[in-house]
Amino acid sequence: ETGVTQSPTHLIKTRGQQVTLRCSSQSGHNTVSWYQQALGQGPQFIFQYYREEENGRGNFPPRFSGLQFPNYSSELNVNALELDDSALYLCASSLISYLNQPQHFGDGTRLSIL
Amino acid sequence: AQKITQTQPGMFVQEKEAVTLDCTYDTSDQSYGLFWYKQPSSGEMIFLIYQGSYDEQNATEGRYSLNFQKARKSANLVISASQLGDSAMYFCAMSAGMDSSYKLIFGSGTRLLVRP
Repeated sequence: ETGVTQSPTHLIKTRGQQVTLRCSSQSGHNTVSWYQQALGQGPQFIFQYYREEENGRGNFPPRFSGLQFPNYSSELNVNALELDDSALYLCASSLISYLNQPQHFGDGTRLSIL
Repeated sequence: AQKITQTQPGMFVQEKEAVTLDCTYDTSDQSYGLFWYKQPSSGEMIFLIYQGSYDEQNATEGRYSLNFQKARKSANLVISASQLGDSAMYFCAMSAGMDSSYKLIFGSGTRLLVRP
């Protein structure tokens, strides 16, 4: 069983640039969620995708957008990067979106904004 | 609004001893799920254990057990027979949402250091 994989592992960008992060969900999982984890904090929910549609969104501005593809892989896009966007971005997949379903996480993409 | 509170920023434990990591939660929902995750320095969040709000028995998974006290709104993680590899950040989380859209709300975490 293949776990959640994310790419790239690390990324350095400058303010104002755009970035795309990628995630492949665990085999058989059709729901993908993205989280932002700032240094020293717990992860914060960005949004969730289910069957290629956004299925819930956290308190993040519209410059954070995403996609889910027919094979359930997903992308997180961030436009007009700001210094505060520096964080670990975690992708998680689950069999379905329900209160008793654990989400399984990838290793994350560490994004640094200069 | 739902909230998770972890009041221990850091904990030490001697190898082979047991340790309890505290977690309290706040929610007005009747149905909810509580999770614990381990995050080593590599960054991956590893799912450890789950407790449902209607589960009458405390969850156990190997050396991990969850001490669930619903009236106190607490869901403490107990790690028995600590190992050096248990040194990591530990996060308590709660599922929040409705219908088929659930997200995880995390606490600020507890850093556990196991001493040899």
